[in-house]
Amino acid sequence: AQSVTQPDIHITVSEGASLELRCNYSYGATPYLFWYVQSPGQGLQLLLKYFSGDTLVQGIKGFEAEFKRSQSSFNLRKPSVHWSDAAEYFCAVGLSNDYKLSFGAGTTVTVRA
Amino acid sequence: DADVTQTPRNRITKTGKRIMLECSQTKGHDRMYWYRQDPGLGLQLIYYSFDVKDINKGEISDGYSVSRQAQAKFSLSLESAIPNQTALYFCATSDSQGYEQYFGPGTRLTVT
Repeated sequence: AQSVTQPDIHITVSEGASLELRCNYSYGATPYLFWYVQSPGQGLQLLLKYFSGDTLVQGIKGFEAEFKRSQSSFNLRKPSVHWSDAAEYFCAVGLSNDYKLSFGAGTTVTVRA
Repeated sequence: DADVTQTPRNRITKTGKRIMLECSQTKGHDRMYWYRQDPGLGLQLIYYSFDVKDINKGEISDGYSVSRQAQAKFSLSLESAIPNQTALYFCATSDSQGYEQYFGPGTRLTVT
């Protein structure tokens, strides 16, 4: 069955430290991949997306993600976290010609001073 | 002004009541979606519409109905609300060329 897994429910990181959020998918074909962020009380905002081409994609707010076909992964990274990065992060997956998205369960990031 | 708006933002209702959540968009997108968000479950698709005459059930459509009144408006109804429909509801849109979706701010619904 098709699925999107975010193995980490909650991550705590110190301000200025690096952050990596994991996302794995189980699909027959290479899907389209997205990372969204949800700040408290807000809707979801697109951070970045991968459709094809360069497997390292840059997004907004200093985030990047790397697609690894062999590992069926699309992990999100940020070299230096700011307190404003405290939020919930969702990985999402779509398939060609199927314009619906499937979301992972989300990872909550807490930033400590 | 926000591109995707949802009303109301918060609602408390009683079991058995009918309730409608509304979504409007100014992005000019053909496609619209309704999701519910529960802690630990991410977002689950309730219904989606690729144009005014095309409405489809998502993963969890039981207990919900929708109406696409115009390209810009997509409403979600709970005919007889029950407590396990307490959740955060999001509307989203996408254009016919792309896969990325744009989300509204959400409606927090509590059914007592």
